Amino acid sequence: DAKTTQPNSMESNEEEPVHLPCNHSTISGTDYIHWYRQLPSQGPEYVIHGLTSNVNNRMASLAIAEDRKSSTLILHRATLRDAAVYYCILSPHTGTASKLTFGTGTRLQVTL
Amino acid sequence: SQTIHQWPATLVQPVGSPLSLECTVEGTSNPNLYWYRQAAGRGLQLLFYSVGIGQISSEVPQNLSASRPQDRQFILSSKKLLLSDSGFYLCACPGTGTGVGELFFGEGSRLTVL
Repeated sequence: DAKTTQPNSMESNEEEPVHLPCNHSTISGTDYIHWYRQLPSQGPEYVIHGLTSNVNNRMASLAIAEDRKSSTLILHRATLRDAAVYYCILSPHTGTASKLTFGTGTRLQVTL
Repeated sequence: SQTIHQWPATLVQPVGSPLSLECTVEGTSNPNLYWYRQAAGRGLQLLFYSVGIGQISSEVPQNLSASRPQDRQFILSSKKLLLSDSGFYLCACPGTGTGVGELFFGEGSRLTVL
């Protein structure tokens, strides 16, 4: 499976944008880029996913590099509730979510 | 949309005791089901997945087993717990409808083995 590399931790001030990077230099042409986040003592929740084009939803934006070897999850205005571990995951999209391999993710700390 | 129920939410068990964690899913039929474990301070590890009743695939060798006696029921078991079995156990299934492509997780069962 193609691997992803993320910083262990990042900090942000509340109401400022946050850019969470992910490197995936060995991504294959059929791999989708998925982002999940895990709040303390909860299961992960889906944030966003994409293949080649940038994606936007109510939670975040996903910017994908032209060569697809990296991507950035963008939280436009961080709030204290966005403090979580963010996981960047590669997986082929088969119509139903296939098993996902989670790394250690990026722990985002949001301060006032 | 689907809902995943897990119980018990919290469990403290002595070493050598048996374990049974249950997961039931509502709002979908014949889903793929997954058991993940998160040890303290670590990422999620996929333990088992099932594509149907009685069909179990194990991702890593371990002291645990899984069963799927009904379409929407997934059980994680152990005959004799080890200290290393402590962790946060999560059941998951794929989304349907507008959630296609997403993996949904239950609230988890936190196991402490003493």
